[in-house]
Amino acid sequence: AQSVTQLDSQVPVFEEAPVELRCNYSSSVSVYLFWYVQYPNQGLQLLLKYLSGSTLVESINGFEAEFNKSQTSFHLRKPSVHISDTAEYFCAVSPDTGGFKTIFGAGTRLFVKA
Amino acid sequence: DAGITQSPRHKVTETGTPVTLRCHQTENHRYMYWYRQDPGHGLRLIHYSYGVKDTDKGEVSDGYSVSRSKTEDFLLTLESATSSQTSVYFCAISPGTVYNEQFFGPGTRLTVL
Repeated sequence: AQSVTQLDSQVPVFEEAPVELRCNYSSSVSVYLFWYVQYPNQGLQLLLKYLSGSTLVESINGFEAEFNKSQTSFHLRKPSVHISDTAEYFCAVSPDTGGFKTIFGAGTRLFVKA
Repeated sequence: DAGITQSPRHKVTETGTPVTLRCHQTENHRYMYWYRQDPGHGLRLIHYSYGVKDTDKGEVSDGYSVSRSKTEDFLLTLESATSSQTSVYFCAISPGTVYNEQFFGPGTRLTVL
């Protein structure tokens, strides 16, 4: 079985400051890793994913996440946030054995202040 | 954007009444899911479907049933709504790749009084 822990429920940060949203997972098998973003009153949309290869993955809007197998972590970072990054961010894992099951973390609400 | 719509988008109902939520997709994806989102719990899987008339339970299926008579439609029914089912409900679809990337609908906010 898999589980996902997002270590911060809320992260307030000033505009143009760096941010890190933390995600740790537990699994007895190898997993694929995802970050989804949910803007207010919208559904979730995929931000980035790690499937294999380079452990550092990037999104088109400046976020990056690094897969650390030894620490079972997949933290999300951005060097300089914008007001428009205010949203809820969900870390998720899916076992590499295939099938339907994706496990989501409880979410981290990012507040970017002017 | 993936073609997923949910209806209704908002609903207020009373305890004990049946409620049906609809998810419609235009992507012809094999897998469809119903989740509920509650503060502090993230998304929890209610039911999912892996084909027409093929459905199975998720982690919080009690009090819910589903049906999928066509590839494009996945219905979620609350047989007798309770206040604990007040939540935001999301439908998601997936083409069935091994890594299970999912695409989400806009959500339905349900309030049970």
